Amino acid sequence: DVKVTQSSRYLVKRTGEKVFLECVQDMDHENMFWYRQDPGLGLRLIYFSYDVKMKEKGDIPEGYSVSREKKERFSLILESASTNQTSMYLCASSFGQSKILNEQFFGPGTRLTVL
Amino acid sequence: AQKVTQAQTEISVVEKEDVTLDCVYETRDTTYYLFWYKQPPSGELVFLIRRNSFDEQNEISGRYSWNFQKSTSSFNFTITASQVVDSAVYFCALSEVYNTDKLIFGTGTRLQVFP
Repeated sequence: DVKVTQSSRYLVKRTGEKVFLECVQDMDHENMFWYRQDPGLGLRLIYFSYDVKMKEKGDIPEGYSVSREKKERFSLILESASTNQTSMYLCASSFGQSKILNEQFFGPGTRLTVL
Repeated sequence: AQKVTQAQTEISVVEKEDVTLDCVYETRDTTYYLFWYKQPPSGELVFLIRRNSFDEQNEISGRYSWNFQKSTSSFNFTITASQVVDSAVYFCALSEVYNTDKLIFGTGTRLQVFP
């Protein structure tokens, strides 16, 4: 079974703190994704990565950065957390074969509260 | 631009009732993929089905069935004889063939099944 794990289920941080959210997958997937989920807005893509050290902006990248130094690990970084970044953060991964779409596998999510 | 609309925010049914979750999509492409995911209270999205735009056959998997109609740009999901364990948020998603690794999600429909 594919397993996507996220470092924390719940996280509370203060405004201005630097926050790291970690995601690890164990199926050698090329693609990894970070979403945020907010009531009434569904899932919105923040950043994604097709390969190690590669990243692309999603729909709402402002205020976030990412790092992918190893294939299995994809980190989301909030450089200076703000209250409007309070949300559920979901990580996902998928195989990356050209022109062949594969479903994304999701982690359990991290509920981040910024005070 | 691509878009997925799930107009039903929340649906409540009593066990054993049939329930249909609506999904309407917009895309400029003739080739695309549609998905349904389930998010139970635990938070982890679970893949249910993928359908490509050339396959309009309805699909049935146990109590679940999907009705894909290109003429109305809809990909509706029906649960027959609902059970309490079906209680979850359900997301419909779209991916275009030239952007196959990215998913556009609807805002989700929360289904509550009461005993």
